[in-house]
Amino acid sequence: GEDVEQSLFLSVREGDSSVINCTYTDSSSTYLYWYKQEPGAGLQLLTYIFSNMDMKQDQRLTVLLNKKDKHLSLRIADTQTGDSAIYFCAESIGGATNKLIFGTGTLLAVQP
Amino acid sequence: DGGITQSPKYLFRKEGQNVTLSCEQNLNHDAMYWYRQDPGQGLRLIYYSQIVNDFQKGDIAEGYSVSREKKESFPLTVTSAQKNPTAFYLCASTRTAGGQVETQYFGPGTRLLVL
Repeated sequence: GEDVEQSLFLSVREGDSSVINCTYTDSSSTYLYWYKQEPGAGLQLLTYIFSNMDMKQDQRLTVLLNKKDKHLSLRIADTQTGDSAIYFCAESIGGATNKLIFGTGTLLAVQP
Repeated sequence: DGGITQSPKYLFRKEGQNVTLSCEQNLNHDAMYWYRQDPGQGLRLIYYSQIVNDFQKGDIAEGYSVSREKKESFPLTVTSAQKNPTAFYLCASTRTAGGQVETQYFGPGTRLLVL
């Protein structure tokens, strides 16, 4: 079945790098996404990676995909207090619905 | 500015009452989605619509109903049959529904509380 797992909590100091990890089970995933949710708000798309890619870099964000291990990570360089939020990974299995399977979310707390 | 709006931001429901959550988009997107978010959990799909006048059940459709009479609007009704409606409800849309993977864009959400 489809399942996406993340660790619940990560705490880092301002200026350090953050690495948020995600594992998924559906090998037919076409795109994998990272969304950010600030308190009481909707989800903001941060970045995404196509399943035939290993890495994607976008400014402070680096996404690594290990398709063999079904492991996805999001690295945030020079983490700032404004990065404190819940981060969701999601896999899209494509097809006719563009259905997304979301992980449980990782709460990133950035200490000043 | 193009985007997705949801209203109200907070909604209170009395026992046995039906309530309707609004979702509007001016992105000219074909497909729209409703998700429910509970504390400490990921998003779960309630209903989705790939085109006007058509919609399908998601993973947790029981106790909910939708309509898609206009491309830009996809209201969700939480009926009295939904026994645990307290949650954060998120609406999303994509440019097209199928054939290729499209990124989903989300509204700001509506928090529903039962009195």
